[in-house]
Formats: sequence, structure tokens, C-alpha cells
Amino acid sequence: SQTIHQWPATLVQPVGSPLSLECTVEGTSNPNLYWYRQAAGRGLQLLFYSVGIGQISSEVPQNLSASRPQDRQFILSSKKLLLSDSGFYLCASAGGGAETQYFGPGTRLLVL
Amino acid sequence: QKEVEQDPGPLSVPEGAIVSLNCTYSNSAFQYFMWYRQYSRKGPELLMYTYSSGNKEDGRFTAQVDKSSKYISLFIRDSQPSDSATYLCAMNNFNKFYFGSGTKLNVKP
Repeated sequence: SQTIHQWPATLVQPVGSPLSLECTVEGTSNPNLYWYRQAAGRGLQLLFYSVGIGQISSEVPQNLSASRPQDRQFILSSKKLLLSDSGFYLCASAGGGAETQYFGPGTRLLVL
Repeated sequence: QKEVEQDPGPLSVPEGAIVSLNCTYSNSAFQYFMWYRQYSRKGPELLMYTYSSGNKEDGRFTAQVDKSSKYISLFIRDSQPSDSATYLCAMNNFNKFYFGSGTKLNVKP
């Protein structure tokens, strides 16, 4: 199986500040990579997914962006955070056959 | 209509009980069916996944898929307090995955 690393685990940021969350994957090559946001007590909202380096699909219009500079690295960014960006951000990876996904430990973001 | 429907619970059972968790879905194109367990403030952990209709067993867990009814289930036998968590069903259509909202399970000692 794959191992997904995310950092930081917790982040407290002021409104209007920039954001960079990083995700790296071990144990697979050419994975499909995903960023989700999970609000408290709610389901998973797909934000972005990528099927290869430099290929990003956006699912929800917002002030967030994603980049994939290397095969097993996926970055979530924002130039100016909003209060509504608070949440639990999860990175996930699926093999090329996309049978299933594996998740990282998540980053809890609080925007004040 | 959501693509995947899951009763949010909470579901509270005594230790040792058999637990049944269920999801329904609307898209007959879904290919793989998954169950995840998520502890509070942690990432979801894959429990089981299956492709075809029928049952798949792994220890105390059994996943069941009925594609004709668009219905999937997860059974937990001899439930333990450590099984207390939120359980998410998921399914995919090629590169995209669709999740239920999760069922919160509490197993009382």
C-alpha cells in the first residue's frame, strides 16, 4: 500500500495570509492525487485532482489553487486566506488503475 | 439527489453486537466500492474495497455489494469499543471518488 505524508498537522493563520500545504507520496509511481476538505461533522469535498505532473483539475471555484511539481508531490496554496477556508484538509492518492484511495493524516487549518 | 447516500447516525451499540452500516447510490457506472474508518481528527483509513457484487470478508469485517439494488453494506461482528469511529462509504467512476457523509458509530463497553 501507499504512504501519504502531509504537513503541517495543524496550522493557525490570520485572514489574508498566504497558505502552502504539502503532500508527498511513497510506495507508488504515477499516482492520481487529490485534495479534499472536510468540514466538522461533514463529508469530504473534492477540491482538486491531478492525473500527472502539471495536470490539475479544479472541482470547486474558490481562492485556493493546486500544483503538482513532481510525480509524487502535490501542493495546495492560497494567496489570501478567508475565514471560510478553515477546515480539515486531506491529501489522497490512487494508483493508475484507481481502484481505491489512500489518505494522509490531514492538516487542520484554522483561519482567524 | 446526492450520488451517495449514507445515514449519519449516530449509531450506539453494546460491545459484542453485530453492526450493519449501509449506503445507497444512484450511478450504475460506479466500479469499486470502499469502506473507510475515520477516528476523530485523523485521516480516513481504508478498511476494505471490492469490485463485484457479493460478499468480501476480512476478519470481523464483511463488505457486501448489491449492484442490482445499488446498495452496499459493511458488517462488523463482535464489535469492540475500539471500533468507535465514523465510517465512510465510497465508490469511484474512473478517476473520481464519491463519498457518503459518514456514519458515526459508538460501541459501549
